[in-house]
Amino acid sequence: NAGVTQTPKFQVLKTGQSMTLQCAQDMNHEYMSWYRQDPGMGLRLIHYSVGAGITDQGEVPNGYNVSRSTTEDFPLRLLSAAPSQTSVYFCASRSKLAVTSYEQYFGPGTRLTVT
Amino acid sequence: GESVGLHLPTLSVQEGDNSIINCAYSNSASDYFIWYKQESGKGPQFIIDIRSNMDKRQGQRVTVLLNKTVKHLSLQIAATQPGDSAVYFCAETAGDYKLSFGAGTTVTVRA
Repeated sequence: NAGVTQTPKFQVLKTGQSMTLQCAQDMNHEYMSWYRQDPGMGLRLIHYSVGAGITDQGEVPNGYNVSRSTTEDFPLRLLSAAPSQTSVYFCASRSKLAVTSYEQYFGPGTRLTVT
Repeated sequence: GESVGLHLPTLSVQEGDNSIINCAYSNSASDYFIWYKQESGKGPQFIIDIRSNMDKRQGQRVTVLLNKTVKHLSLQIAATQPGDSAVYFCAETAGDYKLSFGAGTTVTVRA
């Protein structure tokens, strides 16, 4: 049971390039989400999904796209990278059956630098 | 907009002492409050949560207190150990799966 995995761990992009951050979970969790973490700040929600085929915007969705074709995978796409998107990105998942607890599992993160 | 925040950005505590980390929130519609621990270079790790209809919840060496009157949340760590050194975040949600995080408190344990 690997939990939540993210690839790559590190990435450097030039302004205007596109890329996809991968996220996968093997816990059969319905809920998945993407956060970004900037220095000295808490995590901010980018996009989330409550199940395959269903996604919605979080607090800071501009510049990012998501899709959820399977329960396991939730990729995050940067269409045209900007320096303001330099950050550490975390993917998380949670079971909708966890009604007595809000335990959410996070991946190890992807550190992205846009030059 | 409404947000969750922590009172102090840093906390230094002697090994073996108890730690208290505070958090203020402003969204009166929040249903769950959660504490996370983040070690350097890792993703946040769930510690404990509390629902809005509770005042106190205990876990292993940790206790979360919720005061809805003053919109205040605290995390108490008993007998703080070197492994407790990390950044601690509080988060809240109104039950719609959108978590809002505070800025975090860095806890340093002195030997």
